[in-house]
Amino acid sequence: DVKVTQSSRYLVKRTGEKVFLECVQDMDHENMFWYRQDPGLGLRLIYFSYDVKMKEKGDIPEGYSVSREKKERFSLILESASTNQTSMYLCASSLWIEQFFGPGTRLTVL
Amino acid sequence: DQQVKQNSPSLSVQEGRISILNCDYTNSMFDYFLWYKKYPAEGPTFLISISSIKDKNEDGRFTVFLNKSAKHLSLHIVPSQPGDSAVYFCAASFQGAQKLVFGQGTRLTINP
Repeated sequence: DVKVTQSSRYLVKRTGEKVFLECVQDMDHENMFWYRQDPGLGLRLIYFSYDVKMKEKGDIPEGYSVSREKKERFSLILESASTNQTSMYLCASSLWIEQFFGPGTRLTVL
Repeated sequence: DQQVKQNSPSLSVQEGRISILNCDYTNSMFDYFLWYKKYPAEGPTFLISISSIKDKNEDGRFTVFLNKSAKHLSLHIVPSQPGDSAVYFCAASFQGAQKLVFGQGTRLTINP
């Protein structure tokens, strides 16, 4: 079974803080993704990566950056958190089209 | 530009009846479609998929229908059970592309 884990289930941060969200997958998948989920907007792609040290912008990359130093780990970074980044953050990995998701991190920025 | 749309934010169905969730897409290049199910505080889990070379795919209580001319797909759940209460997302992709484009989601509630 594919397992995708995320470092925190719930996180509360203050405006202006630097925030790191970590994601690890154990199935040797090439592709990894970061989404945010907001009511009425579905899942929106922030960044994705096809390989180590490779990254591509998704639909809403502004205010975010990513890092993929190892194949199994994909990190999402909020350089200076803002209240409009309060959301559910979901990490996923895939070998082909079907993506496997982690449990999500509910981030609240005060 | 919402390329994948789920126009019903919510749906309520009696236990034992059929649940029909709908999804429309605008990009005719999409050739692979997936449905995901999401419980609160959990990540989405894959449910069923269909390639554009088919018009129907069945897996137990779940059937997905694809109408390419109408750019429309639907998920049928028969019979509906209380555990089916969740948010359902449809997603679309191109062959050879790894990205998925998701709809807004439909919250399905199964009433006893």
